[in-house]
Amino acid sequence: AQSVAQPEDQVNVAEGNPLTVKCTYSVSGNPYLFWYVQYPNRGLQFLLKYITGDNLVKGSYGFEAEFNKSQTSFHLKKPSALVSDSALYFCAVRGGNTGGFKTIFGAGTRLFVKA
Amino acid sequence: DAGVTQSPTHLIKTRGQHVTLRCSPISGHKSVSWYQQVLGQGPQFIFQYYEKEERGRGNFPDRFSARQFPNYSSELNVNALLLGDSALYLCASSFVSGQQRTDTQYFGPGTRLTVL
Repeated sequence: AQSVAQPEDQVNVAEGNPLTVKCTYSVSGNPYLFWYVQYPNRGLQFLLKYITGDNLVKGSYGFEAEFNKSQTSFHLKKPSALVSDSALYFCAVRGGNTGGFKTIFGAGTRLFVKA
Repeated sequence: DAGVTQSPTHLIKTRGQHVTLRCSPISGHKSVSWYQQVLGQGPQFIFQYYEKEERGRGNFPDRFSARQFPNYSSELNVNALLLGDSALYLCASSFVSGQQRTDTQYFGPGTRLTVL
């Protein structure tokens, strides 16, 4: 069965410092991995995705994520955090052996960036 | 371009009632998916529709149903509401390429349903 784990409920970082939000996954076949961000009372905004190719994926707002097949991880990173990055972040996966758009989301990690 | 739109924004119902939620996809997008997001959890997949046909279904009871119209908009219907149906219901649309599993879903702002 497909699953996604975001081991940290909350991540705290000072503005200007690098940030990492962790994600591990379990799927059959090749994984298709996504990161979304959710601001209060808003829907999910797409940040980036990994389909194939280069393990380092660059996305919106200066975010990037590194795919690691051996560790089944897809951690979200940003070199320098902004206060405005404070939000709820979701990692999501689709398995290569399933059809369509059935996407499994993690429980989310709340990021607090302190000025 | 307008993003995914959903209506209503908020809805309050009582147990046993029926509710209909609506979604309009991004122009040019032909696939719509529905998700339920309970407070403190990630979104849970309910349905995917493409070309007016159901293409995927999550682990939800038959009280949940949906349909897609010729203009690609969609409705989610929930019958016999339970307190546990209280959640944010998200609609997502996608432009369907040849490899659906890699397509990006774009989400609407959601409909907040409260069941009393």
